[in-house]
Amino acid sequence: KAGVTQTPRYLIKTRGQQVTLSCSPISGHRSVSWYQQTPGQGLQFLFEYFSETQRNKGNFPGRFSGRQFSNSRSEMNVSTLELGDSALYLCASSLGFQGETQYFGPGTRLLVL
Amino acid sequence: AQSVTQPDIHITVSEGASLELRCNYSYGATPYLFWYVQSPGQGLQLLLKYFSGDTLVQGIKGFEAEFKRSQSSFNLRKPSVHWSDAAEYFCAVGASGTGNQFYFGTGTSLTVIP
Repeated sequence: KAGVTQTPRYLIKTRGQQVTLSCSPISGHRSVSWYQQTPGQGLQFLFEYFSETQRNKGNFPGRFSGRQFSNSRSEMNVSTLELGDSALYLCASSLGFQGETQYFGPGTRLLVL
Repeated sequence: AQSVTQPDIHITVSEGASLELRCNYSYGATPYLFWYVQSPGQGLQLLLKYFSGDTLVQGIKGFEAEFKRSQSSFNLRKPSVHWSDAAEYFCAVGASGTGNQFYFGTGTSLTVIP
């Protein structure tokens, strides 16, 4: 089976812009979670989607949003980018949403200038 | 509050030496525990996981981990380290009934000396 894929892999934006990141889960997986990884804060949970519904949300401002499509693919959007949003954004997929094993994609590296 | 502590920020070992990476957690529910490894610029690869049962779990690449409930620990071990094991290692905790929100430790960076 193909693993979790994320596009794009690298992205450069300027402050105030918005960005959309995409994640395709492993075939058959219905849960997609997003994490932000920075040197200072480590890995922080953004949100989780299962069957097109947001199930959990981390402690991030409303500028961070996401959605999931009927084929389980997910997108996350960050509006009004700030310098501090520069990070590696990781997507993880799992079969269900009961604390199951999560399989991570390679991440999207976002640089905000 | 849920938290995961990896007390060792950086560890250096010689190739062929044994390795133990520490992980302590604080979690109200019965935890599910994971170890992931991350190479530079890459995503996280699952090394092993503990849900229930035997407290000593085997993973890929010769790694194992032992769950000790009394100590709230889930330490990762490898009897003989290879140069290719140099990477960042993350301990994570989740739980049934809380969705897939994992809490991660801050990571331990492993350097392997030839």
